[in-house]
Amino acid sequence: DAKTTQPPSMDCAEGRAANLPCNHSTISGNEYVYWYRQIHSQGPQYIIHGLKNNETNEMASLIITEDRKSSTLILPHATLRDTAVYYCIVRTQGNDYKLSFGAGTTVTVRA
Amino acid sequence: GAVVSQHPSWVICKSGTSVKIECRSLDFQATTMFWYRQFPKQSLMLMATSNEGSKATYEQGVEKDKFLINHASLTLSTLTVTSAHPEDSSFYICSASRRGGSSATQYFGPGTRLTVL
Repeated sequence: DAKTTQPPSMDCAEGRAANLPCNHSTISGNEYVYWYRQIHSQGPQYIIHGLKNNETNEMASLIITEDRKSSTLILPHATLRDTAVYYCIVRTQGNDYKLSFGAGTTVTVRA
Repeated sequence: GAVVSQHPSWVICKSGTSVKIECRSLDFQATTMFWYRQFPKQSLMLMATSNEGSKATYEQGVEKDKFLINHASLTLSTLTVTSAHPEDSSFYICSASRRGGSSATQYFGPGTRLTVL
C-alpha cells in the first residue's frame, strides 16, 4: 500500500472548520483513502473513505485532488470532542487488506 | 450499526499467567478480524489477521505460539496472551471488517489495556 505523509500536529479553534491535509503521491489506481481518528485511550474510529470522488457524511468531508496524490479531511465545525490523532491511510480494497497506521496528525481543538 | 466490543476493557495479571481477550462484532458478521497492539505514545501495530474458520496470519516478529488467536464464528475472535510477561503490557485493539457494496471497512473495538506485573 502507498505511504502517506501528514503534519505531526495542528491546532484549530472551536466552531471553525478544521482542514487536515494528507499526501499520498504514490497511490495506485485501486487504492482507497481512509481516515480514522483515535481519541486518547480508545480504539480508532472510522470517519470516511473515498476512491476519487469527494465524499461527505455526518462526520466530515473528504476532498481528493484530481490526480489523487493528496487529500484533505474537513471537519466542518470543530468541537472540543474532536481533539484526537487523525490517521490518513491508503489501502487496497478487500476484507483481508490491512490498515497500516502511521504517526497521524494530533489535532487539538481549543476553546 | 458497525459496533465492535471487547472484553475485558482492562486486565491486570501476574507474570506467567495467560489472559484471554474477546472481540465481538455486535450488529454485523465479520469474516475477517484483525488484532493490533499499541504501546504508549506509539501508533497501532498490526499483530495478526484472522479469518473465520481458518488459522490466523501473523505479522513478522509476532510469536504465534505466544499470541493465540481463535476466530470460531462470524462474530467472535479471541486473543490469548500465553505466559504473559511485563513486556507484553500494552493496549490491545481488535477490528472487524464489514463488507458494504464494493468496499470493506474496518471497525475497531474500544481496546483492552493489559498490565502484567
